[in-house]
Amino acid sequence: GEEVAQTPKHLVRGEGQKAKLYCAPIKGHSYVFWYQQVLKNEFKFLISFQNENVFDETGMPKERFSAKCLPNSPCSLEIQATKLEDSAVYFCASSQANTEAFFGQGTRLTVV
Amino acid sequence: QKEVEQNSGPLSVPEGAIASLNCTYSDRGSQSFFWYRQYSGKSPELIMSIYSNGDKEDGRFTAQLNKASQYVSLLIRDSQPSDSATYLCAVEGSYGNNRLAFGKGNQVVVIP
Repeated sequence: GEEVAQTPKHLVRGEGQKAKLYCAPIKGHSYVFWYQQVLKNEFKFLISFQNENVFDETGMPKERFSAKCLPNSPCSLEIQATKLEDSAVYFCASSQANTEAFFGQGTRLTVV
Repeated sequence: QKEVEQNSGPLSVPEGAIASLNCTYSDRGSQSFFWYRQYSGKSPELIMSIYSNGDKEDGRFTAQLNKASQYVSLLIRDSQPSDSATYLCAVEGSYGNNRLAFGKGNQVVVIP
């Protein structure tokens, strides 16, 4: 597609439940990035993929967060056993190599 | 030291005036610099990219880059109420992994 598509737009989970977010990158873009935006516009890098391979996972909290980009499927970000502090907007972005990144509309996760 | 720093506090400018935003970064090897605009509750929208020292103009926007001073700025000429948003400075580091480090953002309010 011509834009990064993220689903769902909103997600509410009780503490301890699992959350799964999806992202379809722009067609032809080989890089996918996940960012977490908490209050006051703080963006935190989580993980990036080059095609279906993990490229950089230095930002991922290893214990409960996982992500995948499989061929012919949307990329996904999964949070096991959500905590209150996971409440944030999760943005997916995609880019071609060494070019600008374009962002999806985000998924607002609320953990109650 | 934060990777990317932006001036704190909202910037109020009268309609038609120039809004000036500044950003400094810590990674001296950074090569790619971006300004994103984010309306409240929306995703970041790329408005400018700059890769070499000097000025780059696109419509009412001018980005300025000074790698020696590790400084990048954005000027918005003839500010319009529709320019009211948060402007995020983003820097791609020298680690070669394409990920962006974001500043906290500058809120701009254009007063009609």
